[in-house]
Amino acid sequence: QKEVEQNSGPLSVPEGAIASLNCTYSDRVSQSFFWYRQYSGKSPELIMSIYSNGDKEDGRFTAQLNKASQYVSLLIRDSQPSDSATYLCAFSGAAGNKLTFGGGTRVLVKP
Amino acid sequence: KAGVTQTPRYLIKTRGQQVTLSCSPISGHRSVSWYQQTPGQGLQFLFEYFSETQRNKGNFPGRFSGRQFSNSRSEMNVSTLELGDSALYLCASSLDSQAFFGQGTRLTVV
Repeated sequence: QKEVEQNSGPLSVPEGAIASLNCTYSDRVSQSFFWYRQYSGKSPELIMSIYSNGDKEDGRFTAQLNKASQYVSLLIRDSQPSDSATYLCAFSGAAGNKLTFGGGTRVLVKP
Repeated sequence: KAGVTQTPRYLIKTRGQQVTLSCSPISGHRSVSWYQQTPGQGLQFLFEYFSETQRNKGNFPGRFSGRQFSNSRSEMNVSTLELGDSALYLCASSLDSQAFFGQGTRLTVV
């Protein structure tokens, strides 16, 4: 079993709709959770971090964390064509800043 | 505030050679991590340095090594290059657990 599981997609979403991305992880000592956006040919860009159970909203993005179910999700509201990218889920443990990444979900927002 | 700077951006090397990549973190960040990204394996952690000490290490062979200097700048070295080392090498600078990536060095081994 992979440490972090994500659906590779592509997730096709009409412009203006909500994109829903999911991520499950296997390491119960995971402390911090992150979502990165990566455009083709570019490096990952941090868009959300979440550390405790519940929801965290930042602009059009909402991250949801459920540690008991080992599940983290990302909602993108009012999706725009510029949101078309690969979204990477990552977590870090108790010591240091080592990040473990999922394989990423490719999102395509169609005008 | 300047971001994470990686040099060079592109490299072409021959099998058996060695290569050194450089990373300058965001000012004030003392943690620097290195990652390898390939289409097949995704983003994989190589190692992390904090205050000139290696704090975490991934599952890569000893050909991959790194170091950090007193000004937090970091280098990674790959010796005896193999074709499979062709990848995007990313450096991340961290503060308060949040990691910010540089533009990466695209290494091609021929």
